[in-house]
Amino acid sequence: DAGITQSPRHKVTETGTPVTLRCHQTENHRYMYWYRQDPGHGLRLIHYSYGVKDTDKGEVSDGYSVSRSKTEDFLLTLESATSSQTSVYFCAAQIAGGETQYFGPGTRLLVL
Amino acid sequence: EDKVVQSPLSLVVHEGDTVTLNCSYEVTNFRSLLWYKQEKKAPTFLFMLTSSGIEKKSGRLSSILDKKELSSILNITATQTGDSAIYLCAVPNNAGNMLTFGGGTRLMVKP
Repeated sequence: DAGITQSPRHKVTETGTPVTLRCHQTENHRYMYWYRQDPGHGLRLIHYSYGVKDTDKGEVSDGYSVSRSKTEDFLLTLESATSSQTSVYFCAAQIAGGETQYFGPGTRLLVL
Repeated sequence: EDKVVQSPLSLVVHEGDTVTLNCSYEVTNFRSLLWYKQEKKAPTFLFMLTSSGIEKKSGRLSSILDKKELSSILNITATQTGDSAIYLCAVPNNAGNMLTFGGGTRLMVKP
């Protein structure tokens, strides 16, 4: 599992509420990623980080923000959750100079 | 824009069968191609193929890269029910810091 954990693992929330998902890694990986996975769409990149305080948008970043104040933690925030953000969210990490990404166990989010 | 297409979308076989999964790609600058297996949880890394390592094998799984055809295949011989999963293919971007994933092939192996 490359030392990647996610919390919470499951969450049910209501439309309009803020939600923060946490990704924590213990291997000092430089790059970290947030994906969402939906039937028919595969894995889509939301945001990624290439170092502390360095982040950039991915393919489906609207409605999401991220922060990385420490190497080991990468937070994904839904400022005002919508039903279209119901999904499984995966965090991943990649060492600098490598190309293989290792994934966390995922967070299943249901927005009612 | 990098693109990865996998086929078939899904596949149902019986234990003992051999299966071949396909992945085709379009990238600005080819660096490598990765295969992942996803059961009911996170994707787990299987293989990475590069220009200098076009063939990889691990037990009953093997993969080959065809740079001329811009494609790769993943073979599974003597399939078992534990091989049931979604198999994902991905290619890194030019900088090597982002992956583009295909939509995956869902394999179901029946006893």
